[in-house]
Formats: sequence, structure tokens, C-alpha cells
Amino acid sequence: DIQMTQSPSSLSAFVGDRVTITCRASQDISKYLAWFQQKPGKAPKSLIYAASSLQSGVPSKFSGSGSGTDFTLTISSLQPEDFATYYCQHYKSYPLTFGQGTRLEIK
Amino acid sequence: EVQLVESGGGLVQPGGSLRLSCAVSGFTFSDHYMDWVRQAPGKGLEWVGRSRNKANSYSTEYAASVKGRFTISRDDSKNSLYLQMNSLKTEDTAVYHCVRVVQVAGHYTMDVWGPGTTVTVSS
Repeated sequence: DIQMTQSPSSLSAFVGDRVTITCRASQDISKYLAWFQQKPGKAPKSLIYAASSLQSGVPSKFSGSGSGTDFTLTISSLQPEDFATYYCQHYKSYPLTFGQGTRLEIK
Repeated sequence: EVQLVESGGGLVQPGGSLRLSCAVSGFTFSDHYMDWVRQAPGKGLEWVGRSRNKANSYSTEYAASVKGRFTISRDDSKNSLYLQMNSLKTEDTAVYHCVRVVQVAGHYTMDVWGPGTTVTVSS
């Protein structure tokens, strides 16, 4: 199985900051990577697929990059509604697996 | 508007069975692959399994943790996805989400999530 490792596990930032979350795959997954945002008590929301393509309706403040084994999610100009937990997920092969999550908190 | 609504969750004893349903609307269900994803209390997301569409013979894939115990099925005439869960274990306690999968340029990716239904396995 392909393991997905996110870093950091938690992150504190100020409103207005720009933050980057990293996701590493245990083997080459090309660009078969997605990112999700989850707020407490809510279903996850899909943000990015194919490593860098935004899902419909997702604001351009979210951006993704990477290929192979190393990927990043960058969120610019943080707003209060952006503080949430973020997950990466590969879909290169079965089983699909998620990273452990990165909790983004307000400083 | 695309909507997915899960139902059927509840409290069940270890070794018992439960059938979850996911009713969808706002899109052509028969065209899409569909996933189940779960989240144990205070934990991260875990993919449970996938149902492919009719064009792909409704074939399925499962996580190792549920293979042989869980079965995914669908009824395109009812716009519904199902998850039959047998031989339930305490570690199956989780919120179960139904998720639509879309295909874009060769990428089969999850895009819309249901709110989830809670399954508690406890004696």
C-alpha cells in the first residue's frame, strides 16, 4: 500500500498569512493526488485534484503543486473560514489512502 | 444541486450487521463511480471501498480492513448506493460518508461528499 505522510501535523498562523502544507507519498504517484478541507463536525470538502487542479468553486487562494512523491498545498491570505484540517489523498492505485491530516489553527 | 444523503446508521453489537444507504440527486448517478469513506471518532479519513458504474460492470474495490465483511452495491433505478456491513467490529465505529467520484482527464477523484451517518459498534 502507498503511505501518505503530511507535515506538519498541526500549524498555527495569523489571519492574512500564507501557509504551506506538505504531503509525501511512499512511492511515485505521478500527479494522482487530491486535497480536502474538513471543518469540525462537517463533511470534507474537495479542494484540488491532479495535484494542482482546483475543484469547481474553490477559490484561487488555494493552490497545489508537485508530482512523483512530494506535494504541497498552499493557502494564501488566510481568512477565519480557512482554519480547518487538511488531508491529502492519493488515487494512483488501490487501496486509496489519506494522509493523517494537518490541523490549521488561528494564532 | 448535487446532493448525497446517507442513512441507516445506528448502534449495533459486535458481530452484527447493518446496511447503509446513500440517496443521491442532482446528477446522473448511473454515470458515476461512488465511494464510501469513514472517519472514526477523533481520527482521520479512511477509504472503505468503491463501486464502479454500469459501463464498468459495477465492479468493486475494498480496503483490506473491510474486505470479505463489507459489500458495496447500487441500484441505478433508485439513484441509491448501499453498504452492507457484516461481522461488525468495535473498530468499525465511525461516521460513514458516501462520496461521488468524477473522471477528469483520466483522473478518478472524489468531488462531492454526503454529510455522513454514524455507526457505533458496541456491546
